[in-house]
Amino acid sequence: TQLLEQSPQFLSIQEGENLTVYCNSSSVFSSLQWYRQEPGEGPVLLVTVVTGGEVKKLKRLTFQFGDARKDSSLHITAAQPGDTGLYLCAGLNTGKLIFGQGTTLQVKP
Amino acid sequence: NAGVTQTPKFRILKIGQSMTLQCTQDMNHNYMYWYRQDPGMGLKLIYYSVGAGITDKGEVPNGYNVSRSTTEDFPLRLELAAPSQTSVYFCATSWGARTANYGYTFGSGTRLTVV
Repeated sequence: TQLLEQSPQFLSIQEGENLTVYCNSSSVFSSLQWYRQEPGEGPVLLVTVVTGGEVKKLKRLTFQFGDARKDSSLHITAAQPGDTGLYLCAGLNTGKLIFGQGTTLQVKP
Repeated sequence: NAGVTQTPKFRILKIGQSMTLQCTQDMNHNYMYWYRQDPGMGLKLIYYSVGAGITDKGEVPNGYNVSRSTTEDFPLRLELAAPSQTSVYFCATSWGARTANYGYTFGSGTRLTVV
């Protein structure tokens, strides 16, 4: 069974702080996706990374795919209360997405 | 543009009852999936379908059944509901499966409680 481990599971920070969420696996994935989920809603795709070592930026969010395509990170600069939510990484293998357990982020004003 | 529509949004079932969770999409996507989400556990794949008439088991299929008679609809059937099936259920679609850049589009979920 392929596993994706996210850390930390919970993060509570003040507005303006920086943070990094990690997503690790012993398996290689053809691509890795990051989703954000708000209470009462389904996950919404933020980004897909495909190439080992790839870095993508989405405003204050920076996503990186590990060189070996086994891990990824999400870095948020100057977090804002609107960033509050559940962040999920998901690896694509044999056509199906395997999800990590998620990181709950709370950004306090 | 509705995307992926799930009904009902909430449901309480008694142990042993059955029900069908509905999922309809208007995106003309071939691939559809059912996931369940439990606190601290991420999303687990229950069943998926690569097109009308074709379904396959995911990671946690026991206690569930699916059918796919049309491209648009992918209902999930619970027979003999058990407390372990208390969860939030999400339906998702994608254009393709093997092309890495295709993200999934999720519905807003069905929160099911079995008592």
